[in-house]
Amino acid sequence: EADIYQTPRYLVIGTGKKITLECSQTMGHDKMYWYQQDPGMELHLIHYSYGVNSTEKGDLSSESTVSRIRTEHFPLTLESARPSHTSQYLCASSDNRGSGANVLTFGAGSRLTVL
Amino acid sequence: KNQVEQSPQSLIILEGKNCTLQCNYTVSPFSNLRWYKQDTGRGPVSLTIMTFSENTKSNGRYTATLDADTKQSSLHITASQLSDSASYICVVSDRGSTLGRLYFGRGTQLTVWP
Repeated sequence: EADIYQTPRYLVIGTGKKITLECSQTMGHDKMYWYQQDPGMELHLIHYSYGVNSTEKGDLSSESTVSRIRTEHFPLTLESARPSHTSQYLCASSDNRGSGANVLTFGAGSRLTVL
Repeated sequence: KNQVEQSPQSLIILEGKNCTLQCNYTVSPFSNLRWYKQDTGRGPVSLTIMTFSENTKSNGRYTATLDADTKQSSLHITASQLSDSASYICVVSDRGSTLGRLYFGRGTQLTVWP
């Protein structure tokens, strides 16, 4: 079944640790995104990619980095986590073909807590 | 400034009752408006998407309306069920670039009680 997967679902780590949040989709979508969401707040775009070897920063400044070496894989990395990075991170993908243009399919999210 | 405002912020209703959620936006130019349902601890799932020329669209017990002149949309839920408890997010896309930038509301948290 075509879907988008995020791991880990929950992560609690100490300050200064390096973490990578994984995101994979099996739908062959060209576009992929990372959003950050805090409780009761709107989603904020932090990174996006239009295809392999394409990555751009989003509207919200983030110390994280991303890579897109394969179409289906869009991992997000924090080199040195801080408590201010505590948040929910949502990965999404979309294609721009037909009537479903740019409709996002979201993963279940990764809840990061930095102590 | 392009914005999407949703009301109410939270809503509690009894199972079987109907409810209506509101979304007002100032995004311009306008391309389309989507409603998403986000269960606790999960990612948002698309319910409906409407373009400028559409003023109503249904998906089962969910009916969305759009008034592009007043820049308002509503999501009506009929005969609510416990599984409708979730956050409902309004998202507006502009035509300002090939990206079709998305503007997110903060959501309405709906709780359905038995």
